[in-house]
Amino acid sequence: DIVMTQSPDSLAVSLGERATINCKSSQSVLYSSNNKNYLAWYHQKPGQPPRLLVYWASTRESGVPDRFSGSGSGTDFTLTISSLQAEDVAVYYCQQYYTTPFTFGPGTKVDIK
Amino acid sequence: EVQLVESGGGLVQPGGSLRLSCAASGFTFSSYWMHWVRQVPGKGLVWVSRINSDGSSTVYADSVKGRFTISRDNAKNTLYLQVNSLRAEDTAVYYCARDATLIRGVIDYWGQGTLVTVSS
Repeated sequence: DIVMTQSPDSLAVSLGERATINCKSSQSVLYSSNNKNYLAWYHQKPGQPPRLLVYWASTRESGVPDRFSGSGSGTDFTLTISSLQAEDVAVYYCQQYYTTPFTFGPGTKVDIK
Repeated sequence: EVQLVESGGGLVQPGGSLRLSCAASGFTFSSYWMHWVRQVPGKGLVWVSRINSDGSSTVYADSVKGRFTISRDNAKNTLYLQVNSLRAEDTAVYYCARDATLIRGVIDYWGQGTLVTVSS
């Protein structure tokens, strides 16, 4: 199975400041035939199901604010919130969909400082 | 509007069984692959199973293989998860989720979840 790890476990950022979350996979999730990284990001607000933010490592889902951006390739990925808003308080998960079993990272909790 | 509504959760003794259901609406259910994902309250997300659009292909996490069965009834727009031989570690909220289809393995819609508690 591909193991996903995330860092930090939690972070607190001031409103309007940048938040950066890292995700690492135990093996590459870059599919060479199409040069796509099979990596998605979700966030989950308290009491709600997760919401898809980014797929193909850097493609924003429709309706997701452009302050959310994904980057990285191979085994190392980053989700950046360029200007943290109060509504961004949530747990953020990365997920690989390169192969089954699909696996999620353990999550990074983002709070307001 | 896409809606996924789970039901069937509850308190069950170790070794017991439940059938979880997920009623889908707002999209052409028969065209989409579907997933079950579970989450121990306060913990992370764990993918459980996936079924293709016509139900002919299923995949399971090793932790549930042989005990859980995913199925669907496209005429009723309903996804199921039969959970047998339940263990304490199966206690979790079970989410029904829609595959993004053009991006296999990405989940674009989630239900609100149904809680399964395994305890004597």
